[in-house]
Formats: sequence, structure tokens, C-alpha cells
Amino acid sequence: AQKVTQAQTEISVVEKEDVTLDCVYETRDTTYYLFWYKQPPSGELVFLIRRNSFDEQNEISGRYSWNFQKSTSSFNFTITASQVVDSAVYFCALGGAGSYQLTFGKGTKLSVIP
Amino acid sequence: SAVISQKPSRDICQRGTSLTIQCQVDSQVTMMFWYRQQPGQSLTLIATANQGSEATYESGFVIDKFPISRPNLTFSTLTVSNMSPEDSSIYLCSVLPGGAGNEQFFGPGTRLTVL
Repeated sequence: AQKVTQAQTEISVVEKEDVTLDCVYETRDTTYYLFWYKQPPSGELVFLIRRNSFDEQNEISGRYSWNFQKSTSSFNFTITASQVVDSAVYFCALGGAGSYQLTFGKGTKLSVIP
Repeated sequence: SAVISQKPSRDICQRGTSLTIQCQVDSQVTMMFWYRQQPGQSLTLIATANQGSEATYESGFVIDKFPISRPNLTFSTLTVSNMSPEDSSIYLCSVLPGGAGNEQFFGPGTRLTVL
């Protein structure tokens, strides 16, 4: 069975601080895919990144960066110099090879205080 | 990517009634899904909407409660039948343009409140 754990339920930071959102996953698949989605207060889910299990390179996109470590089954997400617009619920998700189904974590609510 | 719209965006309904939610995609996609997000919770897959055949439901969800239609490759509906307050949730449709292992794109969601 697949499982995604986001241990941080809520995080508050002051604007311009860096923040890391943790994601730990469990799977027996050798090929799998990891995702991060952002859900702002308006409710829609916004796709942020996809990473497959064979690519452990870290990814940076502007103020966002992702650290994928298979050794610890983690796929953490860091926001540098946070902004108020980053306030949202962030979901980590896991997909198996050949499967269309995503397993979502419970989400981390990030509040960036001006 | 894909542009997805949902109608209605929100609704308040009375117990015992039914609501049909529409999902429209701007391009043809094979795979379309319906999710439920209960207040403060994560997303749970309700079913896969199959074009030309019956939807495939996940454990805990049944066709009588959540009938789904998929008349073509750009449109689907989800009906929440005989509603109770426990059905108050955000309902989201999603599509998977790139096939298994690729990212799903989500609609804006329908916020349903059942009184």
C-alpha cells in the first residue's frame, strides 16, 4: 500500500523567512512519481512539480526548491524568502507506475504573515 | 496542461436533494477523475469517469450515491444524490492528459454545503 505523510499540519512564518515543508512516502514500487500541489484559499489545486523515482536531482524554480532523497523516502519542499501569496495548503502526492491513482498526504497549511 | 471549468462553483442545498456538478475540459482527455475533499481534509478519489462505459468507483463510494456520466472526452458530470450534511465538501474533477505517472490537472472545485 502507498502512503504519504506530511507531519506538519500548520506552519506560520513571517514574510521573507525561508520555510521547508516535509513529505515522507511509503511504497513498494520501484518506479513511482512524486508531486507537489498548492491549494490557495480559493480552492483550486495548482500543480507545482513532478519527480520520478529515478531522478534524484534537486529542482529549483525561482523561490521554490525540492529535495528528493530516496534513502530517507522524502521529498521536501522549500520556499525561500516567503511571501504572503505563498499562503496556502500544500499537498504532497504519490503515484505508482502504471497507476492513475494518486495518494495524497493530509496537507500542510502555510500562513505567511506580513 | 489543460484548462478545466466546473459548474456550479458553490451551492447550498437542503438535505435529501441532489446536485449535479459539471466538469468541462478544453481538450480531449481519456482519463478524468472525481475527488472529494471534506473540510480540512485531504483529497479522496471517488471514481474514474470512463467515456462510453460505467465509471469505476473506489472503495466506499457507490453508483447510487454518486452517479457519473461521461458522454464524451471533454465533459463529465457527478451527481451527489440524497444529500446529507456529511456530503458537505469540495468536489474536484481532474484530468490526466499525459497518461499514468504524469501530473493530474484539477478543476477549480465545487464547494457544497448541505443543510
